Amino acid sequence: NAGVTQTPKFRVLKTGQSMTLLCAQDMNHEYMYWYRQDPGMGLRLIHYSVGEGTTAKGEVPDGYNVSRLKKQNFLLGLESAAPSQTSVYFCASSYYSGRSGANVLTFGAGSRLTVL
Amino acid sequence: GDSVTQMEGPVTLSEEAFLTINCTYTATGYPSLFWYVQYPGEGLQLLLKATKADDKGSNKGFEATYRKETTSFHLEKGSVQVSDSAVYFCALSDPGGSYIPTFGRGTSLIVHP
Repeated sequence: NAGVTQTPKFRVLKTGQSMTLLCAQDMNHEYMYWYRQDPGMGLRLIHYSVGEGTTAKGEVPDGYNVSRLKKQNFLLGLESAAPSQTSVYFCASSYYSGRSGANVLTFGAGSRLTVL
Repeated sequence: GDSVTQMEGPVTLSEEAFLTINCTYTATGYPSLFWYVQYPGEGLQLLLKATKADDKGSNKGFEATYRKETTSFHLEKGSVQVSDSAVYFCALSDPGGSYIPTFGRGTSLIVHP
């Protein structure tokens, strides 16, 4: 199984351009997440989804939009890129193990975005 | 809300040294606790977990014990190798809360030959 696949792996944008990062998982997971990783800041949650057709805001949602039209895909969009969005973006997914279970995430390899 | 605090790095050790990375947490319920590892150029992957008090998670020579009385989940390894050089993240998920994991800021470990 491929697990969680992110495309593209690298992208350079100019300020004001738009783009979409694609995340695909083949584990039939209900939950999917988008994080950004910046030096000294750890992982910060941008948006997440608890099922097909649903999305919710995380810790740092401004400037990003997401969609989950199919259970296996979670798209992250930047409508008007800014230099502050230069970062490494990670997608993750997990299955719902119930209120007594542990929520274990499976991560993709990351997408490095540079905004000039 | 829930939070995770882990020691700042980098932690620099010689091969075969003993490793401890401290992690403490704040949660309203009874969280599950995790350590994830990120090798250079890769995504995070689960290293070990514990779901209730006094549980010990272990994997690849690493161990961590869920200490409810001190709200801690410190990561230890008796003898580190160069290949253990990576960034380590402590995390929790609170089944009684939002269920969405909360991560610490990560601790970089550098092991020299």
